[in-house]
Parts: sequence; C-alpha cells; structure tokens
Amino acid sequence: EAGVTQFPSHSVIEKGQTVTLRCDPISGHDNLYWYRRVMGKEIKFLLHFVKESKQDESGMPNNRFLAERTGGTYSTLKVQPAELEDSGVYFCASSQDLRSEQYFGPGTRLTVT
Amino acid sequence: AQSVAQPEDQVNVAEGNPLTVKCTYSVSGNPYLFWYVQYPNRGLQFLLKYITGDNLVKGSYGFEAEFNKSQTSFHLKKPSALVSDSALYFCAVRENSNYQLIWGAGTKLIIKP
Repeated sequence: EAGVTQFPSHSVIEKGQTVTLRCDPISGHDNLYWYRRVMGKEIKFLLHFVKESKQDESGMPNNRFLAERTGGTYSTLKVQPAELEDSGVYFCASSQDLRSEQYFGPGTRLTVT
Repeated sequence: AQSVAQPEDQVNVAEGNPLTVKCTYSVSGNPYLFWYVQYPNRGLQFLLKYITGDNLVKGSYGFEAEFNKSQTSFHLKKPSALVSDSALYFCAVRENSNYQLIWGAGTKLIIKP
C-alpha cells in the first residue's frame, strides 16, 4: 500500500511569488491534515479535511494560505504571496478515522528568499 | 491550553545501553498520546500510541512507552539502543474529543557505537 506522498520535496521561491504544495493521502483515508514546522520550532497544526470538507482551519496563519481538497482525494496548499516567515517544512498526514494514528508524508521543504 | 514538553533537546546513549526520551503533557480531557520518529531526510513515522488500556505500550523497532497519569508523562524507552535508532523523536498529544495533534519540540537521539 502506498503511503502519503507530497510534491515537491523542496521548493525555493522568492518573496511575493506563489507556491502550491500537493499531498496525496493513503487511499481510503477520509481525514487529511496539514502541519508546518518552522525551523527549530514545534510542528504546528494548520488544518483538517474530512473528505472534501474543511473541518478545522484554525491553524492557518493568515489569508495568504489556501487549502483545497476537491473530490476528497488529493489536497493542495497554496501560499500567495509567499513571505520569508513562511519558510519551513510542510507536512501532510492522513488517517482512516479520528481515533487512528495519522500517517505522514515526507514533507515539502519551502524556502522563501 | 494543551501542551507537550520534551525537556531534552538531545540525548546521547552508547550502543547497547537502555535509552529514555522524556515527554510530559498537559490536556484538559483524556489524552491520546503518540510518538513519531523522523530519520534524516525522511518524513515522520508513527512509532506507537496510547489511547486506553495498559499503561505500557509497545511499538515499532523495539520501542515502548509508559503512560503515567499522575505524572502526566509518556516517556519513550528501549532496552538496548542501536546506532540506527539515531533520529529526531517527537511526542504528540490530543484530547479524545479533538483531532489536532499538539507536538513537542522534538528530541535528537544520538546513539554512539
């Protein structure tokens, strides 16, 4: 069974540009989560989808971040326009249900210069 | 507010010796507790979890963790460390009524031959 995949693995963009991160969850997992780890700090929750619906986006830092999960399969996280403080590693995770452990992708390292 | 503390930034252990990575937590309800490991250039891998039941939980790669309600701790342990255990270890918690994972800052485990 394929695990959670994320694309790209690494992205370097200039301040003010747009970047879109993609996450493909494990097949059959309705729950999809985005997290972010800024250099040296704790991993922080961003948002949670159940199928195509946003259940909780309380962790999204501001309106420059937009997450979608059309069709309830893969998800995208767009940052527009990117700022220097957006640099970090963005993790995606999925789970079968709310009690189950979350399985993580390898992360996307975003560097904004 | 929910929080997780991993008091040690780094733990050094000689190969073959027992290891402990500490974690304490604070939640208002019943906790779900997790340990994840991140190997260099890899994503987060699930190690083990405590939901309910026996306080001693066994997980992947010979790791185990003990839930101590009175001390609000969930320390990760292994009887005999391997060099290949060297990695970054994260403790996470969530309330049983919530799905956001709250993370510790991570502990770098270094096993020396």
